[in-house]
Amino acid sequence: GDSVTQMEGPVTLSEEAFLTINCTYTATGYPSLFWYVQYPGEGLQLLLKATKADDKGSNKGFEATYRKETTSFHLEKGSVQVSDSAVYFCALSGAGGYNKLIFGAGTRLAVHP
Amino acid sequence: GAVVSQHPSWVICKSGTSVKIECRSLDFQATTMFWYRQFPKQSLMLMATSNEGSKATYEQGVEKDKFLINHASLTLSTLTVTSAHPEDSSFYICSARDSDRAAYEQYFGPGTRLTVT
Repeated sequence: GDSVTQMEGPVTLSEEAFLTINCTYTATGYPSLFWYVQYPGEGLQLLLKATKADDKGSNKGFEATYRKETTSFHLEKGSVQVSDSAVYFCALSGAGGYNKLIFGAGTRLAVHP
Repeated sequence: GAVVSQHPSWVICKSGTSVKIECRSLDFQATTMFWYRQFPKQSLMLMATSNEGSKATYEQGVEKDKFLINHASLTLSTLTVTSAHPEDSSFYICSARDSDRAAYEQYFGPGTRLTVT
């Protein structure tokens, strides 16, 4: 069945460092891909999305490109801030985005001043 | 923005007892609510999907008689863990979606940590 694999954390970075969190997926057809973020004590929030190959999702300085050839959707940010400390989840849903969400295990990011 | 609350945020119960977790959409009508379970260092696993006024649809492997879901109104869904056992200890997360929205347009609650002793 469909699945999502993302790098294990925690990822610890200094402020202004470059961030990459790897995410790969297995799916039939053409899924939609998402990154969610969970700040401490809060519910998951949609960070960005891409619905077809080569789409780039972006939000709050974060970016991810839907790479069908490598079945990947890596999350990147050029300069992280302490406020970016959170747990990041990669997820997919069936073509069109109307089916249920399938999540990766989550990657905890800790950014230090 | 859309807000989903859960109550309680954490609960400890004794083995054999039942515990109810509430999920509320505070500023929108949620025709569909989802219940997830999350084990440490593992992904969120969808347990069931509930639509207001109808029976919940459970994912394969989830015991519907153990995890009772009720979605009686457009703003409230409840998950009751019946005859809880230590293996039911987990982090339970709900999410809510307005009608005709895509799967990714879910708003998540902050979760409820259940510990069964």
